Amino acid sequence: KQEVTQIPAALSVPEGENLVLNCSFTDSAIYNLQWFRQDPGKGLTSLLLIQSSQREQTSGRLNASLDKSSGRSTLYIAASQPGDSATYLCAVARPNTGNQFYFGTGTSLTVIP
Amino acid sequence: EPEVTQTPSHQVTQMGQEVILRCVPISNHLYFYWYRQILGQKVEFLVSFYNNEISEKSEIFDDQFSVERPDGSNFTLKIRSTKLEDSAMYFCAGEGNRNTEAFFGQGTRLTVV
Repeated sequence: KQEVTQIPAALSVPEGENLVLNCSFTDSAIYNLQWFRQDPGKGLTSLLLIQSSQREQTSGRLNASLDKSSGRSTLYIAASQPGDSATYLCAVARPNTGNQFYFGTGTSLTVIP
Repeated sequence: EPEVTQTPSHQVTQMGQEVILRCVPISNHLYFYWYRQILGQKVEFLVSFYNNEISEKSEIFDDQFSVERPDGSNFTLKIRSTKLEDSAMYFCAGEGNRNTEAFFGQGTRLTVV
């Protein structure tokens, strides 16, 4: 069974700092990896999708990378802002299952003004 | 921007009662999912649905659960006889083509008392 781990569990940084969130998974036979943002008590907002043939994706201040062989993905957030405060979830999909995701426990990010 | 809509946002029900959680997916989506998140825990896959039938289901999705898409728009999750441990946030998700970006709704918080 696929296990997804996210480190750190919580992170607090001053505004403007660049930061990296880590996601690791035990089975490298994945199809997609998607990063989500979750605000307290709210739904999941898609940030970036990396398909298995890709190594990275960028959207604005966000950059996600994928290394399937080592079972790792990172989410890089540049010039953090207080509005980035949320929980960031990594989700991994197995081949031939559509988006049947295995989720990590998330990293709770606080950006201090 | 199209979005996945879930109703109600919060439902309180007595143990043993039936509940129906409703989702209106993005109109051109073909693959649909239900996930749940018990407070403080990971988001967990329940069931996937395509072409009016269940594609895959997890061990959580037992005989008490059912899904249907009766009118080609609404996608519902029914829990026949709720238990205290069914209390969770339930998320609906969809995607257009298989293994593309998944979009989640804002969730329904189910509280069983």
